[in-house]
Amino acid sequence: DIQMTQSPSSLSASVGERVTITCQASQDISNYVNWYQQKPGKAPQLLIYDTSNLEIGVPSRFSGSGYGTDFSLTISGLQPEDSATYYCQHYDNLYTLLTFGGGTKVEIK
Amino acid sequence: EVQLVESGGGLAKPGGSLRVSCTASGFTFSSAWMSWVRQAPGKGLEWVGRIKSKAGGGAIDYAAPVKGRFTISRDDSKNILYLQMDSLKSEDTAVYYCATDRGTLDSWGQGTLVTVSS
Repeated sequence: DIQMTQSPSSLSASVGERVTITCQASQDISNYVNWYQQKPGKAPQLLIYDTSNLEIGVPSRFSGSGYGTDFSLTISGLQPEDSATYYCQHYDNLYTLLTFGGGTKVEIK
Repeated sequence: EVQLVESGGGLAKPGGSLRVSCTASGFTFSSAWMSWVRQAPGKGLEWVGRIKSKAGGGAIDYAAPVKGRFTISRDDSKNILYLQMDSLKSEDTAVYYCATDRGTLDSWGQGTLVTVSS
């Protein structure tokens, strides 16, 4: 099974800073990676699908990139409301299994 | 507007059973693939399993930790998704979410808490 290793597990940054979260797959997974944001006590929300496509309504300061085994989520200009935990997620091209990364907790300094 | 509402969570004993439900509205449920995802207290997200639409073949897949113990089913006439959990273990304690699934989990319910304890 494919493993998704997310890093860092947590970070603290100031408002306005650029923040990057990475996700490494244990083998080549093409571009089948999605990113979610989860705030405390709430269900996760889709941010980015298929590596780099912004979900409707998501601010343009969020972006995703990568291919193969290395993927990243970038927040360009961190805002107070971005304090949350972020998860990467892979789905296989046969739509059988689905795997999450371990999560990255983003805090505002 | 897509709405997913989970229900049926609660306390179960180790070795016991519990069934949680997810009532869907605002979209064509019978055409949708649906997944269950859980989150243990203070931990990350863990995919539990998926059921495809009947038109999509109706296949059901499970994550290794629950295979053989959990059963996913659907009632398209009632727009309800089910998760039957048997032989429960303490490590099954989690909030259980249902979500629409196209490889990407687009819409999520608010979750229902299942606690397995004696």
